[in-house]
Amino acid sequence: GAVVSQHPSWVICKSGTSVKIECRSLDFQATTMFWYRQFPKQSLMLMATSNEGSKATYEQGVEKDKFLINHASLTLSTLTVTSAHPEDSSFYICSASSGQVEHFGDGTRLSIL
Amino acid sequence: QKEVEQNSGPLSVPEGAIASLNCTYSDRGSQSFFWYRQYSGKSPELIMSIYSNGDKEDGRFTAQLNKASQYVSLLIRDSQPSDSATYLCAVNGDTPLVFGKGTRLSVIA
Repeated sequence: GAVVSQHPSWVICKSGTSVKIECRSLDFQATTMFWYRQFPKQSLMLMATSNEGSKATYEQGVEKDKFLINHASLTLSTLTVTSAHPEDSSFYICSASSGQVEHFGDGTRLSIL
Repeated sequence: QKEVEQNSGPLSVPEGAIASLNCTYSDRGSQSFFWYRQYSGKSPELIMSIYSNGDKEDGRFTAQLNKASQYVSLLIRDSQPSDSATYLCAVNGDTPLVFGKGTRLSVIA
């Protein structure tokens, strides 16, 4: 089955640090990847849609200068949280489309001190 | 705005019983329907997809779709404590998927 690898799985860092999260589709090519954020006991919230070779499409209320997305190849998308602050602490999850199905990575738990 | 509605639960069922999870959606043009399971602290995993009206069975899971009523459900037979999780309904007419907020299922041993 389609496998999506997300790295790192856990990050703890100081306020003001920039953090990069990688999302890779291991056994299929994904022209579209998605980035979600999930706060404790809340639902998935789509942050942006990442298309290979073009600019990401951000959902309303998501700062594109804060959350930089790069989709440089058909198997890799990265999300960089710039100058992270405690309120950015959350569970970040990527997914990649294989046909109409979305396959999720294992998620990255980000804790900003 | 496209919406997917689910009862947040918790839905509690005894071990061995049938758990019934329901979902309604607003976009009549939706084409694809998915059920994901999410354990606490983990990312969602796909358990069922259904594209046409009727029932689709996979092991202990049965997905049911009624496009006229804009309704999709998931039945879990012989529920096990390991089935305790949040179940997310997702609907697609065009990308990206629209997710419901999920129903929390608790299977009591």
